[in-house]
Amino acid sequence: RKEVEQDPGPFNVPEGATVAFNCTYSNSASQSFFWYRQDCRKEPKLLMSVYSSGNEDGRFTAQLNRASQYISLLIRDSKLSDSATYLCVVNRGYSGAGSYQLTFGKGTKLSVIP
Amino acid sequence: NAGVTQTPKFQVLKTGQSMTLQCAQDMNHNSMYWYRQDPGMGLRLIYYSASEGTTDKGEVPNGYNVSRLNKREFSLRLESAAPSQTSVYFCASRPDSNAGTGVTFGSGTRLTVV
Repeated sequence: RKEVEQDPGPFNVPEGATVAFNCTYSNSASQSFFWYRQDCRKEPKLLMSVYSSGNEDGRFTAQLNRASQYISLLIRDSKLSDSATYLCVVNRGYSGAGSYQLTFGKGTKLSVIP
Repeated sequence: NAGVTQTPKFQVLKTGQSMTLQCAQDMNHNSMYWYRQDPGMGLRLIYYSASEGTTDKGEVPNGYNVSRLNKREFSLRLESAAPSQTSVYFCASRPDSNAGTGVTFGSGTRLTVV
């Protein structure tokens, strides 16, 4: 099982739709989790952290399921400007050098269509 | 605040040439990272520096060297460039290596080795 796995997409959705992405991770000791957004030919930017209790930021909701080792991102009322690639990121939790590293998924591409 | 600044933004090298990619952050972060991003491969960690004075190998360190010059600056050197090193290189930083925070990326260097 890959360390962080995402469906590459593309997800093509109409404006106003709700879309959800999932991400699975293999290391049960992982401690912190994030969603990043990357626009074409730009650097990734932090979208939101993911907390065990779930968290929401406007139209975006992130969930963590530790038992099943997956993370989700829900986008409601999709906008054209949401078109981007969404990266799932996991911070390894074990001690030693590995604890310093973030592992990035390959990303899920979203296209919001007028 | 400028955040994370990378230079140059674009570079074309001939096989066998050497060059240094520069990175500086003004956020007083302890930890700094170098990633490369290739189509279909996602972001892969080359080297990182958990704190000033320390550096460690990441997932794909071969062909690269790094220097943590001071707390602000972390450079990546290609001693003898190869076509396989054609990629987009991102420098990133975060407050410290165990923090539950994501990293902040620079805008990237697009490197082509011919």
